[in-house]
Amino acid sequence: QSALTQPASVSGSPGQSITISCTGTSSDVGVYNYVSWYQQHPGKAPKLMIYEVSNRPSGVSNRFSGSKSGNTASLTISGLQAEDEADYYCSSYTSSSTLVFGGGTKLTVL
Amino acid sequence: EVQLVESGGGLVQPGRSLRLSCTASGFTFGDYAMSWLRQAPGKGLEWVGFIRSKAYGGTTEYAASVKGRFTISRDDSKSIAYLQMNSLKTEDTAVYYCSRYSSGWSSPNWGQGTLVTVSS
Repeated sequence: QSALTQPASVSGSPGQSITISCTGTSSDVGVYNYVSWYQQHPGKAPKLMIYEVSNRPSGVSNRFSGSKSGNTASLTISGLQAEDEADYYCSSYTSSSTLVFGGGTKLTVL
Repeated sequence: EVQLVESGGGLVQPGRSLRLSCTASGFTFGDYAMSWLRQAPGKGLEWVGFIRSKAYGGTTEYAASVKGRFTISRDDSKSIAYLQMNSLKTEDTAVYYCSRYSSGWSSPNWGQGTLVTVSS
């Protein structure tokens, strides 16, 4: 199972919006609505930000939103804030009953 | 409050074995699938495997990179999930996390991680 494809880095200024893409295949992202997004700050455990493509866990800011089209899922962060600077990972359930992660995207808030 | 605490990490020589534990509290452990994930130094997250709850057979799934070498088990009476790692390789060096699965195979709860270093 190959890793999902994410851009290595994205950046934006405070207040702007950014979108991180996560491209899989018809065996994972394209066939299941089981895409999750995680935020990870250096030295910390990952934090769930989005589950089932577009659902936010309790306590996660509504500045974070998720969507999916075909084999590509996306995470959008609006109104960028300094504390959003972190690594972001997508994951998906697969037709092999396994999970697969993306390589991660480093978000820099300029 | 859900808590997951990993233990058992350390320095081990290539080819040797190590068993990690994930002790859970704050929820009915037996009702949930549990997962192990890892993160090599400076690298991204990698899914290692998971174990279903007994209600779903308690069966396991593994990543290709560890299949045949790693085994996940659970003791619901003690609320502990285990990761038995055999035939360790230097590329298994990573921080190992356990997580509890929830809706849509998402992991809302993670432990703090335990470092495994495979080196001679």
